[in-house]
Amino acid sequence: KAGVTQTPRYLIKTRGQQVTLSCSPISGHRSVSWYQQTPGQGLQFLFEYFSETQRNKGNFPGRFSGRQFSNSRSEMNVSTLELGDSALYLCASSLAGIESLQYNEQFFGPGTRLTVL
Amino acid sequence: AQSVTQLGSHVSVSEGALVLLRCNYSSSVPPYLFWYVQYPNQGLQLLLKYTSAATLVKGINGFEAEFKKSETSFHLTKPSAHMSDAAEYFCAVTLFMDTGRRALTFGSGTRLQVQP
Repeated sequence: KAGVTQTPRYLIKTRGQQVTLSCSPISGHRSVSWYQQTPGQGLQFLFEYFSETQRNKGNFPGRFSGRQFSNSRSEMNVSTLELGDSALYLCASSLAGIESLQYNEQFFGPGTRLTVL
Repeated sequence: AQSVTQLGSHVSVSEGALVLLRCNYSSSVPPYLFWYVQYPNQGLQLLLKYTSAATLVKGINGFEAEFKKSETSFHLTKPSAHMSDAAEYFCAVTLFMDTGRRALTFGSGTRLQVQP
């Protein structure tokens, strides 16, 4: 069974640009969550999608957005990039989402490392 | 305020020694608790989780954790460290956000070094 895949693995952008990251969940998983990992702030929850609907959103500015498609694949977009957006962006998928983590497991992808110059 | 705290950003042990990584949480309702491990250039892998069943939880690779409600702790232990255990470990807790929904909140992480 294939794991969670994220593309691209590495990305370099300049300030002011926008970027789109992609996540393909494990087959059959309907929930996709995104996290930002930085040395200073650690791992922070960005948002969760379930069956194409945003179920929850973390405390990030509106420049961060996402969506989920009918095949459960998800994308996140960051507009008007800032230096502080440099981070490892992790995607995780699960069968039923964070509200049901007592019954299922969230599987993480390897991440996309975004560098903003 | 709801939070999760990992004491010690770096822990160094000798191979064969006991591993103890500390995690304390603050939550207004009983949370679900998790330990994840992250190897360099990889995502997170679940080691174990507590979901209100047995308070002593056994996970993969010989790790276990004990939920102590009175101490609001969920410390991770392994009796005998192996070189392959060197990695970063994250404690995570499901906490309710202002949205009224749970989110997975992570501690700041503990980097475990294993000395030969």
